[in-house]
Amino acid sequence: GEDVEQSLFLSVREGDSSVINCTYTDSSSTYLYWYKQEPGAGLQLLTYIFSNMDMKQDQRLTVLLNKKDKHLSLRIADTQTGDSAIYFCAENGSSNTGKLIFGQGTTLQVKP
Amino acid sequence: DAGVTQSPTHLIKTRGQQVTLRCSPKSGHDTVSWYQQALGQGPQFIFQYYEEEERQRGNFPDRFSGHQFPNYSSELNVNALLLGDSALYLCASGRDGPYEQYFGPGTRLTVT
Repeated sequence: GEDVEQSLFLSVREGDSSVINCTYTDSSSTYLYWYKQEPGAGLQLLTYIFSNMDMKQDQRLTVLLNKKDKHLSLRIADTQTGDSAIYFCAENGSSNTGKLIFGQGTTLQVKP
Repeated sequence: DAGVTQSPTHLIKTRGQQVTLRCSPKSGHDTVSWYQQALGQGPQFIFQYYEEEERQRGNFPDRFSGHQFPNYSSELNVNALLLGDSALYLCASGRDGPYEQYFGPGTRLTVT
């Protein structure tokens, strides 16, 4: 089946690192994504990782993929108040057409 | 590049009415997918259009239909609106295949 799960809430202090976790069920997923959604806005693609990779780094963002455990994480270094948003993990499952299956989102609160 | 655009931004309809939402994809993209995002939830896949045909569909009733035009823009139509159709409707565009999908700002539909 297709299911993506995330913890609902994370609170950190400005300047700390944030780690948002996600688990998925479809082992045939070839791409895994992280999106950011600010209040009242659409989804902004932050980064994605191909399933044959273990890690991808993009400036302050680091994605780790454990394919055996079907676990994905997003680390944000030096978290800023502007990083406060909802973060969604998504997979493409067995689809090669771009259909995405999303988690319910993790609300990141950054305290000054 | 204007990115993915959607219109209108907000819409209020009465139960039983019909609604049409519009989406223009990012330049160079040929697929358009539609998602429904209920309050506090992750986006749910409605369907995807490619080469002017519905290629894949999620678990949504036939009241939800769509169209893709030769210029790749797309419409989402919802008939016989229910209160439960109130949501943020997101359009995503991409290149054919399991690649990154870029989202528009969404249309907020309220059914009263």
